[in-house]
Amino acid sequence: QVQLRESGPGLVKPSQTLSLTCSVSGGSISSGNYYWSWIRRPAGKGLEWIGRIFTSGSTSYNPSLKSRVTISLDTSKNHFSLNLSSVTAADTAVYYCARDRRFFFDFWGQGTLVTVSS
Amino acid sequence: SYELTQPPSVSVSPGQTASITCSGDKLGDKYACWYQQKPGQSPVQVIYQDTKRPAGIPERFSGSNSGNTATLTISGTQAMDEADYYCQAWDSNTGYVFGTGTKVTVL
Repeated sequence: QVQLRESGPGLVKPSQTLSLTCSVSGGSISSGNYYWSWIRRPAGKGLEWIGRIFTSGSTSYNPSLKSRVTISLDTSKNHFSLNLSSVTAADTAVYYCARDRRFFFDFWGQGTLVTVSS
Repeated sequence: SYELTQPPSVSVSPGQTASITCSGDKLGDKYACWYQQKPGQSPVQVIYQDTKRPAGIPERFSGSNSGNTATLTISGTQAMDEADYYCQAWDSNTGYVFGTGTKVTVL
């Protein structure tokens, strides 16, 4: 059974870069035709897809966030990462990582709350 | 950009059937899936590829997708089914799109 776990700072200052890591266990991140995605849910709002990375390293991002997002893969550590630059209070949310089966997500992390505040 | 619209809330009595709709332009031409999310928990997939149920999901959950509307049906609704439900589809221009979410209340 694949398990995912998000980690990173719970508090980020406005204009700085939010950085999170998703550690994957129970399987190699580089095996299989899987994508690996980041999703967030702001308080009181719905789910929003941020972007994804394939095992080859190719990426695709939500057009509304594309200019600020970078997702990368570290196969040696079996994890993938999210960087979101120039954050504002609107980026405060619970951030999830998930295994992406191209059209849906089958395994999710437990989520991590990131608050943007000075 | 592509959008999916759901009713904000649905109320159902225990043992009755709850139907949640998800509307989007030509949604029937795409794969739709559904997630259940309870407070403080991560989403759990209940339907994928329009009609398929992942292992461990009760048979009372079923899905359909045609035209501009996908529907999640919960038959014989139980108190444990009270949660937020999100539809989701993939659009070639926008990427993954989630619906606006529906809060299901079991009265």
